[in-house]
Amino acid sequence: SAVISQKPSRDICQRGTSLTIQCQVDSQVTMMFWYRQQPGQSLTLIATANQGSEATYESGFVIDKFPISRPNLTFSTLTVSNMSPEDSSIYLCSSRGSGGQYFGPGTRLTVT
Amino acid sequence: SQQGEEDPQALSIQEGENATMNCSYKTSINNLQWYRQNSGRGLVHLILIRSNEREKHSGRLRVTLDTSKKSSSLLITASRAADTASYFCATDAFSGNTGKLIFGQGTTLQVKP
Repeated sequence: SAVISQKPSRDICQRGTSLTIQCQVDSQVTMMFWYRQQPGQSLTLIATANQGSEATYESGFVIDKFPISRPNLTFSTLTVSNMSPEDSSIYLCSSRGSGGQYFGPGTRLTVT
Repeated sequence: SQQGEEDPQALSIQEGENATMNCSYKTSINNLQWYRQNSGRGLVHLILIRSNEREKHSGRLRVTLDTSKKSSSLLITASRAADTASYFCATDAFSGNTGKLIFGQGTTLQVKP
């Protein structure tokens, strides 16, 4: 299994500001994924972070709002830009390991 | 549209009883995975079952997959209070086995001591 860490684990931010979430995987992986889980909801895929190329965004998510970096095969960042209370969610990164798809512990974001 | 539908949405049982959760999906899949989430924390990977498999076991967990009915079930035997959590199924339904998952809405399980 892959061991995935995220920072920060939680944050409270003011509207209009931006937050960058970091994700570190303990082994080199080709693809990393960012998911959002809104309160009381299931997980929705935001984008796929590809090393060496731009991220691929799912319908309803755009690069200006959720810029993603993927500088190497073990690390990625997701920025939540110009935040509003509707962005309050848990953000999780994910990657494939042997035996399945694994997730980080999540970043709980509250926007006031 | 949501690929996975899970039922029940909520389940409350006594410790020692078995818990069964079901997941249905709409398209062909490469595999289906089950996850546990405690109190809005990260997802814990429980088990992966491939489209050519019908049943898998892991400890007290038993997962079945019926591709003709596009459904899966997760059985937790001899439940414990520590099993209290939300359980999600997720399908890898994209061609090329890309690793992009579509999640069900989840089942909230409460195990009473």
